[in-house]
Amino acid sequence: DIQMTQSPSSLSASVGDRVTLTCRASQRISTYLNWFQQKPGKAPTLLVYAASSLQNGVPSRFSGSGSGTDFTLTISSLLPDDFATYFCQQSYSTPFTFGPGTKVDIK
Amino acid sequence: QVQLQESGPGLVKPSGTLSLTCAVSGGSFSSGNWWSWVRQPPGKGLEWIGEINHSGSTNYNPSLKSRVTLSIDKSKNQFSLKLSSVTAADTAVYYCARLRAVPGTCYYFDYWGQGTLVTVSS
Repeated sequence: DIQMTQSPSSLSASVGDRVTLTCRASQRISTYLNWFQQKPGKAPTLLVYAASSLQNGVPSRFSGSGSGTDFTLTISSLLPDDFATYFCQQSYSTPFTFGPGTKVDIK
Repeated sequence: QVQLQESGPGLVKPSGTLSLTCAVSGGSFSSGNWWSWVRQPPGKGLEWIGEINHSGSTNYNPSLKSRVTLSIDKSKNQFSLKLSSVTAADTAVYYCARLRAVPGTCYYFDYWGQGTLVTVSS
C-alpha cells in the first residue's frame, strides 16, 4: 500500500493568513493526488484533484501543487469558513489511501 | 446534481454482518465512474473499503477483502456493502462516494453521501 503522511498534524492560524499544508507519498504517484476538506460531522468535500486542478465551485484562494512524492495545498488568505481538517488522498493505485489529516484551527 | 444517500442499521452485533445501501439520484451508473465505500472510525482518519463499477467489477481493500462484498442494482440506482464478522473495530461512519475516473489522467471522489454511523455492540 502507498502510505500518505501530512504535516503539520495541526496548526493555528488567523483569518487572512496564508497557509501551506504538505502531503507526502511513500512512493512516486505522479499527480494522482486529491485534497479534501472535512468539517465536524460532515462528509469530506473535494477541493483539488490531480494535484492542481480546482474542483468546480471551490474558491480560487485554494490551490494545489506538486508531483511525484511531495504535494502542497495552499490557502492564500484564510476565511472563517476554512477552519477544518484537510486530507490528502492518492488515487495512483488501489487500495486508495488517505493521509491522517491536518487540522486548521483559529489562533 | 448527483446525490448519494446511505441507509441501513445503525447497530450491528459482534460477529454479525453489516449491510448498507447507497441510493444514487441525479446520475446513472454509466461507464467512467466507480462507486465506492469509505469509512471513518470516530475521531480517526479515512479508510477506503472498495469500489464497484456499472458492470459489477470490483476492487477491495486487501485489509478487508475477506469480509467485504459489494453489489450493484442498476434498476434501483443503488449499490450495497456487506461486511461480515464485524467487531468493535468496525464501528465507524460509513460513506458512499462516486469515483470519477478519467483513465490515465485522474481519479477522484467528487460526490459523497452524508455518512451513516454504524456501531458494533451487543
